[in-house]
Amino acid sequence: EVQLVESGGGLVQPGGSLRLSCAASGFTFSSYWMSWVRQAPGKGLEWVANIKQDGSEKYYVDSVKGRFTISRDNAKNSLYLQMNSLRAEDTAVYYCSSLGGESGPFDYWGQGTLVTVSS
Amino acid sequence: SYVLTQPPSVSVAPGKTARITCGGNNIGSKSVHWYQQKPGQAPVLVIYYDSDRPSGIPERFSGSNSGNTATLTISRVEAGDEADYYCQVWDSSSDRWVFGGGTKLTVL
Repeated sequence: EVQLVESGGGLVQPGGSLRLSCAASGFTFSSYWMSWVRQAPGKGLEWVANIKQDGSEKYYVDSVKGRFTISRDNAKNSLYLQMNSLRAEDTAVYYCSSLGGESGPFDYWGQGTLVTVSS
Repeated sequence: SYVLTQPPSVSVAPGKTARITCGGNNIGSKSVHWYQQKPGQAPVLVIYYDSDRPSGIPERFSGSNSGNTATLTISRVEAGDEADYYCQVWDSSSDRWVFGGGTKLTVL
């Protein structure tokens, strides 16, 4: 059974940093693109970042470029999102997801972790 | 940037057919994926590559894509289908993954 379990969310002040983690199991993690997708309270889904299987390609939504960094450790079956210079508009539930290829779907999702940016 | 447009809401009576549209410039040339999200839960993939169904998704769910509109069709709607539905594509020209704004399906 595929499992994606996020952790690391919480309350942080504007300008602060947070590191999200996603532990993967039940599939060959190193064979998949991986992604972070977020959802602000009461809003729709927003793609945040993707990383290729070997980490050689990374893509970001414009609003987080230069502030967020996606990374992975295939030996630990883990995905990460380092979030710096956080803003109130980054407040959201952050989901970890596997991506079935560049044009493929976000096929498996974690349960999400809530990040709240507030003073 | 590429934009996907969905109606905010669709209402349907039980047993009837619901159609949720997703509009985008020449979307027929892209692969469209659809997700169902119930309150407090993570999204679930219900249609991928325009019209394929993952295992475990009922045959009542189907999809089509042509021209400037992709459509998710839910036949014989049940109360349990009430949820938010999102379409999604990969915009290869900008390397961005785009979601529609979502459609709330209400079963009357």
